[in-house]
Amino acid sequence: QKEVEQNSGPLSVPEGAIASLNCTYSDRGSQSFFWYRQYSGKSPELIMSIYSNGDKEDGRFTAQLNKASQYVSLLIRDSQPSDSATYLCAVNMERAAGNKLTFGGGTRVLVKP
Amino acid sequence: GEEVAQTPKHLVRGEGQKAKLYCAPIKGHSYVFWYQQVLKNEFKFLISFQNENVFDETGMPKERFSAKCLPNSPCSLEIQATKLEDSAVYFCASSQISYEQYFGPGTRLTVT
Repeated sequence: QKEVEQNSGPLSVPEGAIASLNCTYSDRGSQSFFWYRQYSGKSPELIMSIYSNGDKEDGRFTAQLNKASQYVSLLIRDSQPSDSATYLCAVNMERAAGNKLTFGGGTRVLVKP
Repeated sequence: GEEVAQTPKHLVRGEGQKAKLYCAPIKGHSYVFWYQQVLKNEFKFLISFQNENVFDETGMPKERFSAKCLPNSPCSLEIQATKLEDSAVYFCASSQISYEQYFGPGTRLTVT
């Protein structure tokens, strides 16, 4: 079992709709959770971080964390063609600045006009 | 600077040759990380530094890989005697106490 799992997709979403991405992790002690967006041939760009159970909203993005279920999700509202990218879930097993991130395999999102 | 800088963008080496990659973290960031991305999205952690000190090197293939972060110099990742399987994009990231890591543009290494 992988430490961080995501559906590889592609997740096809009509423009203007909500894209819902899911991520599960195996280490129950994990503390910090991140969503990165990666366009093809580019580097990962941090879009959300979440540390506590519940929802965190930033613009069109909402991250949801449920530590009891070991589950973190990302919602993209009013999806735009420019949101077409691979979304990477990353987990820091300890809430410490120097600790490595463990990545999921990424979910490819395609937003169709 | 405000962004993580990595050089070179692309590096081509024949099998058995040495490769050296460089990273300048965001100014004021104490932590530097190296990751290897192969097969599109598979990220592998290599090593992290807190200032000049190795923080975590559990991901480093020790026989051929080495890394340094020296004062007033870019950090470096060196691969001695490259192998075909070392072909990948190598990303450097930096962070401060906020736990959030910011990535550089990457160096694409092609071993032929």
